[in-house]
Amino acid sequence: LAKTTQPISMDSYEGQEVNITCSHNNIATNDYITWYQQFPSQGPRFIIQGYKTKVTNEVASLFIPADRKSSTLSLPRVSLSDTAVYYCLVGERNTDKLIFGTGTRLQVFP
Amino acid sequence: DAGVTQSPTHLIKTRGQQVTLRCSPKSGHDTVSWYQQALGQGPQFIFQYYEEEERQRGNFPDRFSGHQFPNYSSELNVNALLLGDSALYLCASSASGTPKETQYFGPGTRLLVL
Repeated sequence: LAKTTQPISMDSYEGQEVNITCSHNNIATNDYITWYQQFPSQGPRFIIQGYKTKVTNEVASLFIPADRKSSTLSLPRVSLSDTAVYYCLVGERNTDKLIFGTGTRLQVFP
Repeated sequence: DAGVTQSPTHLIKTRGQQVTLRCSPKSGHDTVSWYQQALGQGPQFIFQYYEEEERQRGNFPDRFSGHQFPNYSSELNVNALLLGDSALYLCASSASGTPKETQYFGPGTRLLVL
């Protein structure tokens, strides 16, 4: 069974744009792709959700190609407070179970 | 409006003991899911409750069981604790009729098994 994979870590500087990609080639046909942010010893916090193409809210954008086998979370102009672990969450084809990605630890430097 | 609440925040048990964790969903939510998050790992889905029934289950043994009450709150029970059960246990709630990936998480219960 294919895993939902993400880069282990990324480094950035304040003010830069950060793009984090999640590979989910076993995604259920009708399910959404959702991204969460998690700080140490806290529960994940909802960031953004989409089904296809592009979605934008006040904190992030989400890009989803036509085949939906991957997605990219874009954080514009990151700040130190964006240092966290970021997870994608998708439904798995055939089982429809929710599967978190492997997580990306983002470190933002001043 | 209170979000998802969990109790206790921390817990220490010894091998072989049993533990019960509690969760109150966000107001207006009727579905509760439980996750286990080992240190440095992503959350792993345990099971989901809706209308007081277990609707879906992840790859966890029968030692893990749960319950949902008429007020939508939920409990997670783990029997015969193993050292490997040490983790952060997360409860998430959602509303039926919304995408199931839209989950609101509580702060978690950190369980340490000695």
